[in-house]
Amino acid sequence: TQLLEQSPQFLSIQEGENLTVYCNSSSVFSSLQWYRQEPGEGPVLLVTVVTGGEVKKLKRLTFQFGDARKDSSLHITAAQPGDTGLYLCAGADAGTEKDNRKLIWGLGTSLAVNP
Amino acid sequence: NAGVTQTPKFQVLKTGQSMTLQCAQDMNHEYMSWYRQDPGMGLRLIHYSVGAGITDQGEVPNGYNVSRSTTEDFPLRLLSAAPSQTSVYFCASSRDPPYNEQFFGPGTRLTVL
Repeated sequence: TQLLEQSPQFLSIQEGENLTVYCNSSSVFSSLQWYRQEPGEGPVLLVTVVTGGEVKKLKRLTFQFGDARKDSSLHITAAQPGDTGLYLCAGADAGTEKDNRKLIWGLGTSLAVNP
Repeated sequence: NAGVTQTPKFQVLKTGQSMTLQCAQDMNHEYMSWYRQDPGMGLRLIHYSVGAGITDQGEVPNGYNVSRSTTEDFPLRLLSAAPSQTSVYFCASSRDPPYNEQFFGPGTRLTVL
């Protein structure tokens, strides 16, 4: 069974601090996605990383895909209260096309940024 | 575009009752999925569809039925509600493989008493 482990599970920081959250697996993924979910809403896609070693930036958020495509990290610079939410990673199986239709989801990192 | 819409937003059922959660998307996506989200369990795939007339089971399909008569609509039916089906349900659509990037609806919070 494929698993995606996210760490830390919970994170509470002050506005202006930097943070990194991790998404790790023993399996190889063809691509990996990061989502943010705010209370009472559905997850919203932030980014998709595809190539091993790929780095993508979205304003103050930096996403990296591991060289072996088994792990990923999300780094937030100078966190703001608006960054508060549940950050989820999801991997697409590197197997068959049918497998790609079923994403493997992590349990998420719940981030609270205090003013 | 409204994106993915779900109704109702909240629902309370008694054990044994049946109901249908509605989901519609206006993005002309071929792929649609139903997930449930529970504390400590994360998002789990219930059923999915790769196009009108085609559905398949996900990780936790028991107690749920789906159909896909049009590209736009993908309703989820609870046949005989059980307390274990208390959860938040999300419908999602996606364009195509291989990335399968999901566009989620706002969710339905279901309580089964």
